[in-house]
Amino acid sequence: ETGVTQTPRHLVMGMTNKKSLKCEQHLGHNAMYWYKQSAKKPLELMFVYNFKEQTENNSVPSRFSPECPNSSHLFLHLHTLQPEDSALYLCASSQVAQSSYEQYFGPGTRLTVT
Amino acid sequence: QQQVKQSPQSLIVQKGGISIINCAYENTAFDYFPWYQQFPGKGPALLIAIRPDVSEKKEGRFTISFNKSAKQFSLHIMDSQPGDSATYFCAALNQGGKLIFGQGTELSVKP
Repeated sequence: ETGVTQTPRHLVMGMTNKKSLKCEQHLGHNAMYWYKQSAKKPLELMFVYNFKEQTENNSVPSRFSPECPNSSHLFLHLHTLQPEDSALYLCASSQVAQSSYEQYFGPGTRLTVT
Repeated sequence: QQQVKQSPQSLIVQKGGISIINCAYENTAFDYFPWYQQFPGKGPALLIAIRPDVSEKKEGRFTISFNKSAKQFSLHIMDSQPGDSATYFCAALNQGGKLIFGQGTELSVKP
């Protein structure tokens, strides 16, 4: 596997379910991100982890819970979601260093909340 | 203001034509401006980026033009090809290291 991988690629869940999204980066980066991508809207940054420590929580509802057990893996735990949470959830990673800003994205998980 | 405004929302160009996508920002502290390309079923991928100390950057058929005084930057795709059909996002990096994205432009290049 190369780059940033995400599983599952598609997920349909009811409002009372609990599920988790998984992201893995094979690039040796030290920062990982969760973004939400909705149609016709800018990508919305949800969470940032630098060196496994959460450094950003962009006013995300508590029904979304991130977990970063090590610098290569990132999870997004989901529970009691709402239909408006249906979107493409993108994971990204980067090497946080001076003059290095490129973020590498995974293919995303298409989430549908019924 | 942390917004980046992108236009147009969608664009149709004939093969061989020039595609132009524009972005505007208000925060003068932004200091890195990348463009991302996203194909259906894929995540965004960095296409080209520019810093505010230069007015233009060219990589192959892709050029960023940057106007610091007007707080605007644009992506030009020369000799557009059907394979360029994708969604394009501009972005700006703020002082906290966060990328602020535009709304995206769906480009369709007709053969």
